[in-house]
Amino acid sequence: AQKVTQAQTEISVVEKEDVTLDCVYETRDTTYYLFWYKQPPSGELVFLIRRNSFDEQNEISGRYSWNFQKSTSSFNFTITASQVVDSAVYFCALSEANAGNNRKLIWGLGTSLAVNP
Amino acid sequence: DGGITQSPKYLFRKEGQNVTLSCEQNLNHDAMYWYRQDPGQGLRLIYYSQIVNDFQKGDIAEGYSVSREKKESFPLTVTSAQKNPTAFYLCASSITPPNNSPLHFGNGTRLTVT
Repeated sequence: AQKVTQAQTEISVVEKEDVTLDCVYETRDTTYYLFWYKQPPSGELVFLIRRNSFDEQNEISGRYSWNFQKSTSSFNFTITASQVVDSAVYFCALSEANAGNNRKLIWGLGTSLAVNP
Repeated sequence: DGGITQSPKYLFRKEGQNVTLSCEQNLNHDAMYWYRQDPGQGLRLIYYSQIVNDFQKGDIAEGYSVSREKKESFPLTVTSAQKNPTAFYLCASSITPPNNSPLHFGNGTRLTVT
C-alpha cells in the first residue's frame, strides 16, 4: 500500500537556523512522483517541487533544497537560514504513475514549522 | 492573473441545511478537485473531475455532491447527510491528473456548522 509519513508533527526553530523536514514514503510502483507543498497561515497550498522516481539528483532552489534517496525511500526538505516567512505547514505527497483512472495523491499529515525571530 | 477563487472564505450554517461552496478557475485546467482538511488529518480527497460533465468520488464522498457543467467551475455541495461538515475545504486544479503536473489551490473555505 502507498503511504507517506512525515514523522515530525511540529518543529520550532529560531530564525537563521537550518531545518530539515523528513518525508518517508512507501510504494510498490517503480514509477512515481513526489511533491512538497507549503501551506502558510493564509490557507492556500503552494507547490514547491515535483520529483519523479528516475531522477535522484538533489535539487536546490535558493534557501530550499531537497534530498531524494530511493535506497531509504526518503525525500527530505531542508531550509537553510530559516526566516519567519518560512513558518507554515509543509506537506509531502506521493503519486503513482500507474494508478489508472483513479489517480490521486497520497498525502502526508504535514509538518508545522514555526520560525521564531 | 490566473488562479483559483473560492468563495466565501468563511461560511456558517445551521445543522440540517445544505450549503454550496464555490470554486472557479481561469487557468484553463481540465482537472479539478475538492479536498477536506481537518486538524491533524492532512488532506482528504472528496471528489475530482478530469473533464467537463464527468466526476469521480474520492475517499470521503459521502454527504457531498458536485457538478462540472463548465470547465471553469466545480461547486461542492455539503448536504445535511454529511455527519461532520465543519472543516476547511480546499479546491484545486491541474493540467492533467496529478502524477504529471502540480496542483494549484484556492485559498479555501472554512465551513462551520452549528
